[in-house]
Amino acid sequence: GQNIDQPTEMTATEGAIVQINCTYQTSGFNGLFWYQQHAGEAPTFLSYNVLDGLEEKGRFSSFLSRSKGYSYLLLKELQMKDSASYLCAVKGGASKIIFGSGTRLSIRP
Amino acid sequence: DAGITQSPRHKVTETGTPVTLRCHQTENHRYMYWYRQDPGHGLRLIHYSYGVKDTDKGEVSDGYSVSRSKTEDFLLTLESATSSQTSVYFCAISERDTGRVTEAFFGQGTRLTVV
Repeated sequence: GQNIDQPTEMTATEGAIVQINCTYQTSGFNGLFWYQQHAGEAPTFLSYNVLDGLEEKGRFSSFLSRSKGYSYLLLKELQMKDSASYLCAVKGGASKIIFGSGTRLSIRP
Repeated sequence: DAGITQSPRHKVTETGTPVTLRCHQTENHRYMYWYRQDPGHGLRLIHYSYGVKDTDKGEVSDGYSVSRSKTEDFLLTLESATSSQTSVYFCAISERDTGRVTEAFFGQGTRLTVV
């Protein structure tokens, strides 16, 4: 079976750092994605990990441990515009892409 | 932005009627996906395609069928719409894995209401 878990909601303060965790159990693994989705809009790509370790991209970083089935998205210097849902997704066999339920992040001033 | 267009963007239909949603891409990407998004469930994969005439089921395929007769178009059909199929439907496209990042790009979504 396939299962991707992430927290439903998180709250953080403007200017702070927040870490959103994702654990997965999937048949086949060809990479893990993080997407951002603002309310009423389509998801947009943030990051991709296929090897273990940290990938940094400006204020956003993503980490992967394949042996633990674990990833996190780290957002630094939070801004109000970062209020959105963050979706963890795994690309498995035959390029099937499965998403977790998403984490709704609220930023308070 | 990836060239991916969904039509229609909004539709209201009656229970029991057939409905077809269209996804059109201009990127010549191999893989195409249909998802539905409902509160509390995130994006759930309905069907996907890995080439012309090559499709496979996703997590929630019951009540849906798909067809891909050419690279650029992926059609999702609800044979007999039910109220439980009221949702936002997203199409996505992705390229073949070539050792570089091959993320999925999303269309703008279709809001379907079944009354």
